[in-house]
Amino acid sequence: QVQLQESGPGLVKPSETLSLTCNVSGGSISSYYWSWIRQPAGKGLEWIGHIYTSGSTNYNPSLKSRVTMSVDTSKNQFSLKLSSVTAADTAVYYCARTSIAGAGTQFDYWGQGTLVTVSS
Amino acid sequence: DIQMTQSPSSLSASVGDRVTITCRASRSISSYLNWYQQKPGKAPKLLIYVASSLQSGVPSRFSGSGSGTDFTLTISSLQPEDFATYYCQQSYSTPNTFGQGTKLAIK
Repeated sequence: QVQLQESGPGLVKPSETLSLTCNVSGGSISSYYWSWIRQPAGKGLEWIGHIYTSGSTNYNPSLKSRVTMSVDTSKNQFSLKLSSVTAADTAVYYCARTSIAGAGTQFDYWGQGTLVTVSS
Repeated sequence: DIQMTQSPSSLSASVGDRVTITCRASRSISSYLNWYQQKPGKAPKLLIYVASSLQSGVPSRFSGSGSGTDFTLTISSLQPEDFATYYCQQSYSTPNTFGQGTKLAIK
């Protein structure tokens, strides 16, 4: 059973860079896409982007200028960096395995989520 | 971006009821529509993919239908564990976008 676990600081100062890592266990990170999705308190879900194990990425245009994703197959983990954060970036951040095939894109395994608060 | 609109935003129902939630896309997305269930404090869980395919391990009381712009999620007989928030998500084009959610509460 694939399991994902997010880790990183829970508090980030405005204008700084949010950095999160997702550790994948119970299966190989290879040959899958991996996404980051966020959810402000009491609100809906926003796809941030995904990365393939080759390193190719696809980011949400609304965040593209501030997002960097990377993958480390030797550690079975992938990461998110979001720069120049503001209070609007305060949210629960989820990592998710992303299946992309003829049947479209589905987020079939999720981490438990980690709350990141942007505040001075 | 493709906008996804769910209705209703909230719904009250009783155990045993049949419930239908609707999702409408701002333009045709063929059958590239998924449904998720989210309980408080938990990550979303994939229920239905490609509009009508049941994810492994999901009870058969959940079903999905639709194509083009209009889709439905139906729960045939509500169980206590089904009270949650449900989201649709289109995967026809990036950015992948979600509906605003439908909160299903106990009447």
